[in-house]
Amino acid sequence: QVRLVESGGGVVQPGKSLRLSCAASGFTFTTSGMHWVRQAPGKGLEWVAAISYDGDNRYYENYADSVKGRFTISRDNSKNMVYLHMNSLRPEDTALYYCAKDLGRGARRGMDVWGQGTTVTVSS
Amino acid sequence: QSVLTQSPSASGTPGQRVTISCSGSSSNIGSSTVNWYQQLPGTAPKLLIYTNNQRPSGVPDRFSGSKSGTSASLAFSGLQSEDEADYYCSTWDDSLNARVFGGGTKLTVL
Repeated sequence: QVRLVESGGGVVQPGKSLRLSCAASGFTFTTSGMHWVRQAPGKGLEWVAAISYDGDNRYYENYADSVKGRFTISRDNSKNMVYLHMNSLRPEDTALYYCAKDLGRGARRGMDVWGQGTTVTVSS
Repeated sequence: QSVLTQSPSASGTPGQRVTISCSGSSSNIGSSTVNWYQQLPGTAPKLLIYTNNQRPSGVPDRFSGSKSGTSASLAFSGLQSEDEADYYCSTWDDSLNARVFGGGTKLTVL
């Protein structure tokens, strides 16, 4: 059974940093693309970042313009974990953050399995 | 302002056929496959349709997807009360080099 469990959310002041984690199980993690998607309170879905498998143990990242230069997505294949390192947080980053698995190795096919999310609140 | 355009709301009565649309451009829907997601209140999104018209295992065949040019549609062949939810289209955008979502359509079953 494919399962994704997010953790690491919380309340943080503007300008501070936070790291989200996603524990994956039930599928071949090393060759799966992985995403972070967020949803602000009462709003729609916003894709944040993806980390894709390019073969030969190489991975590449893509980011939404709204987080580029501030957020970094990474993975630890030995632990089946995906992370989202968030720096210079802003109030508009307040959202429920979902971890999701891609249908394929990259980010182009889209998400098929989603976690339950972890909440990030940026407020002074 | 979402890259993909969806009507904010749609409605129908039980048993009715309803269609939700998603409009994009040549850099996204026109050159990539489309997925549809269902989000019931207070829950995580669920994949409903992938690669334009494919249903994951367990999704009833009364849900169908289609794509033509730079637009895509999600159809409900016989609306049920449990279909009341938010629905999102999503695809890859080659110009943005990013995954994009529509703004979502809130479906109400009258």
